[in-house]
Amino acid sequence: RKEVEQDPGPFNVPEGATVAFNCTYSNSASQSFFWYRQDCRKEPKLLMSVYSSGNEDGRFTAQLNRASQYISLLIRDSKLSDSATYLCVVNGNQGGKLIFGQGTELSVKP
Amino acid sequence: DVKVTQSSRYLVKRTGEKVFLECVQDMDHENMFWYRQDPGLGLRLIYFSYDVKMKEKGDIPEGYSVSREKKERFSLILESASTNQTSMYLCASSFGERKLFFGSGTQLSVL
Repeated sequence: RKEVEQDPGPFNVPEGATVAFNCTYSNSASQSFFWYRQDCRKEPKLLMSVYSSGNEDGRFTAQLNRASQYISLLIRDSKLSDSATYLCVVNGNQGGKLIFGQGTELSVKP
Repeated sequence: DVKVTQSSRYLVKRTGEKVFLECVQDMDHENMFWYRQDPGLGLRLIYFSYDVKMKEKGDIPEGYSVSREKKERFSLILESASTNQTSMYLCASSFGERKLFFGSGTQLSVL
């Protein structure tokens, strides 16, 4: 089993749609969780951290379920500019080491 | 503005060559990382370093080595390049378990 697994993509949605990405992780001791965004041919950049109580940043909402070892990202009112690959990231066994999921590609169409 | 700089954006090398990929960060970060990214496989950690002269193997260290002689610089070395090392290489740095800052990547082709 992979340490971090994400929904397979691509997700093709119309503008204005709500879309959700899921991610499961295998290490029950993980304490840090993030969503990164990667545009085509660019480096990954932090989108948001994921906190135990869930958190929201504008149209983006992140949730953590420790019992099920599962995190999610919800994007409301999708924009064309949201088109990118979304990477789920979890800290591993060794301190600052971060493990990346394979990524889920999102394409928002007009 | 924070910056992680990788020495080359594109690099073409021949099989068997020794290859150096350089990465410099200007944020005084303790942690530095080298990843490779391949289609369908995502980002995989090659090596990382918590401090000067310290290094730890990641998930796929075979065929690679690293050097961290100064805090701001982390070098990835391919001792004898092979075609299966053709990939996008991404360097990153962080302070503790806070967010990673990535360089813009080096697309390495080994012929």
